Amino acid sequence: NAGVTQTPKFQVLKTGQSMTLQCAQDMNHNSMYWYRQDPGMGLRLIYYSASEGTTDKGEVPNGYNVSRLNKREFSLRLESAAPSQTSVYFCASSESPGGGSPQETQYFGPGTRLLVL
Amino acid sequence: RKEVEQDPGPFNVPEGATVAFNCTYSNSASQSFFWYRQDCRKEPKLLMSVYSSGNEDGRFTAQLNRASQYISLLIRDSKLSDSATYLCVVKRSSASKIIFGSGTRLSIRP
Repeated sequence: NAGVTQTPKFQVLKTGQSMTLQCAQDMNHNSMYWYRQDPGMGLRLIYYSASEGTTDKGEVPNGYNVSRLNKREFSLRLESAAPSQTSVYFCASSESPGGGSPQETQYFGPGTRLLVL
Repeated sequence: RKEVEQDPGPFNVPEGATVAFNCTYSNSASQSFFWYRQDCRKEPKLLMSVYSSGNEDGRFTAQLNRASQYISLLIRDSKLSDSATYLCVVKRSSASKIIFGSGTRLSIRP
């Protein structure tokens, strides 16, 4: 049982290049999330998918797109990378996005460290 | 002003000490509260949820004060393995309103 997996672990891009960060979970969770973590800023929600077939913007969606490919997989795409997107990206999943229940616990992947030059 | 604020620390305490962190939140519509732990260069992991009546899990105690809009985490008999960054998480009713604090760094010395 791998939990939440992310690929790649590290990536260096040049400004303007594109890439897709992959995320998969094997816990049969309904909800999946993409965050970025920057020093002194905490984790900020980029996009989330409450259930298969739906996606919604989070706090910082500009410059990103997402695809909920199926229940297991949720990818994040940078169409034209910018230095401001240098960050650590975490994918997470939870059984449901409901309020205050144990099913809300988010399980995180190991992260992707992205450097945009 | 950030919606969720934490003292960044670092808190540097000796093994066996009791240490407490607070986290304040500005939106009174916040409904769910959590403490996550993040080790250096690792992913966050849930430490405990915070319930209205307060809750305890071994050496860890979490409290919620809705009137003053803060949550707290108390660690008793601290261990070297407690060294980590502790993230306060506040959630409103919809999934889009999950706010992470920037974390409090704790370092336990022998």
